[in-house]
Amino acid sequence: DTAVSQTPKYLVTQMGNDKSIKCEQNLGHDTMYWYKQDSKKFLKIMFSYNNKELIINETVPNRFSPKSPDKAHLNLHINSLELGDSAVYFCASSLGTAQAQPQHFGDGTRLSIL
Amino acid sequence: SQQGEEDPQALSIQEGENATMNCSYKTSINNLQWYRQNSGRGLVHLILIRSNEREKHSGRLRVTLDTSKKSSSLLITASRAADTASYFCATADRGSTLGRLYFGRGTQLTVWP
Repeated sequence: DTAVSQTPKYLVTQMGNDKSIKCEQNLGHDTMYWYKQDSKKFLKIMFSYNNKELIINETVPNRFSPKSPDKAHLNLHINSLELGDSAVYFCASSLGTAQAQPQHFGDGTRLSIL
Repeated sequence: SQQGEEDPQALSIQEGENATMNCSYKTSINNLQWYRQNSGRGLVHLILIRSNEREKHSGRLRVTLDTSKKSSSLLITASRAADTASYFCATADRGSTLGRLYFGRGTQLTVWP
């Protein structure tokens, strides 16, 4: 069974469109994250939720809006997509926010903006 | 920025050889983690070393940490083709309770059969 699953795996769309990425974890973790990995493999955190509460909100355009309907799910909605949004978006989860907790990653959503 | 820096950016070796990757970071930390990313997949946690530890082993992995130099190294012994992947170090600011990790750009390791 996949521990952290994201859908879709690939997303190809045109500039200006609105799209959503979904993430689910079956590990019973309290904390979930969204990361963006650019073409040079630089991985940067975007958002984090702990028990459905937003705890990390990095400097991200407000076109990006996360939503956590429950502890096991974290979605990412992106409005008015731009060329620079092309990247791989990873969802991750951890047992809690303690520093020693390893993070478990999904396999990513590859977003390509035409 | 607080991100770590892995060195080298790319490493190419033959099966059976050892691979050493280095990580430097900028802030005081409580621990440092290493992750592996296979092509087209998510990151997988390999090992965590605490700031009061100097060396840690897990199977063919050996991690060292030098907090005075703010650096860590990951050694993979007797490498295999299946070890081909990108390797990232990740740190968190000491005292941070939010789970925020800072990753570098990784070292791309290629192991030739």
